[in-house]
Amino acid sequence: DAGITQSPRHKVTETGTPVTLRCHQTENHRYMYWYRQDPGHGLRLIHYSYGVKDTDKGEVSDGYSVSRSKTEDFLLTLESATSSQTSVYFCAISESMVAGVGTQYFGPGTRLLVL
Amino acid sequence: DQQVKQNSPSLSVQEGRISILNCDYTNSMFDYFLWYKKYPAEGPTFLISISSIKDKNEDGRFTVFLNKSAKHLSLHIVPSQPGDSAVYFCAARTAGNKLTFGGGTRVLVKP
Repeated sequence: DAGITQSPRHKVTETGTPVTLRCHQTENHRYMYWYRQDPGHGLRLIHYSYGVKDTDKGEVSDGYSVSRSKTEDFLLTLESATSSQTSVYFCAISESMVAGVGTQYFGPGTRLLVL
Repeated sequence: DQQVKQNSPSLSVQEGRISILNCDYTNSMFDYFLWYKKYPAEGPTFLISISSIKDKNEDGRFTVFLNKSAKHLSLHIVPSQPGDSAVYFCAARTAGNKLTFGGGTRVLVKP
């Protein structure tokens, strides 16, 4: 299994509070991704990073920001959490953007509940 | 509008028989397709993939078929085993290595 950890694994928070989720990898992969999983939608890309300090928006980026100051860490921040952001969040990594070589491997997920 | 669809939310199959999971897509720019398997409380794990220039890829009990003209792919699991009970996601890749996922199919393999 790829060395990917996510913290916290579970979090309950209140509407309007800031929340930061952390993804940590030990594979030294350049590319990292944040997804959310909701029933009926599969996984949807929030933000991704193609290197330290290089990030871009995905399909559902509104209300989220990210930062990557080190290769191994990719942080996802909800500036002011809303109930619609209740979801399971997955981090993924890949060593390349080339098809095949760029297969994404996922972390164990963080379950977030916004009350 | 969902670009990748898995129209069967669930599938039940007897152990030893074939499981067939289907996936349809609309975007002709997808260049690579992947299947992931997910157990509860775990992250998705990569299962098998296929390039858009191929029509079949096989890995052990798992075979993926791609019909590009129909914009349809399928995953065959033969023979199905109880440990295959999980949710399976189809995913399609576009430039920038971005994945678009289907909604998933829950497979139950009965002993």
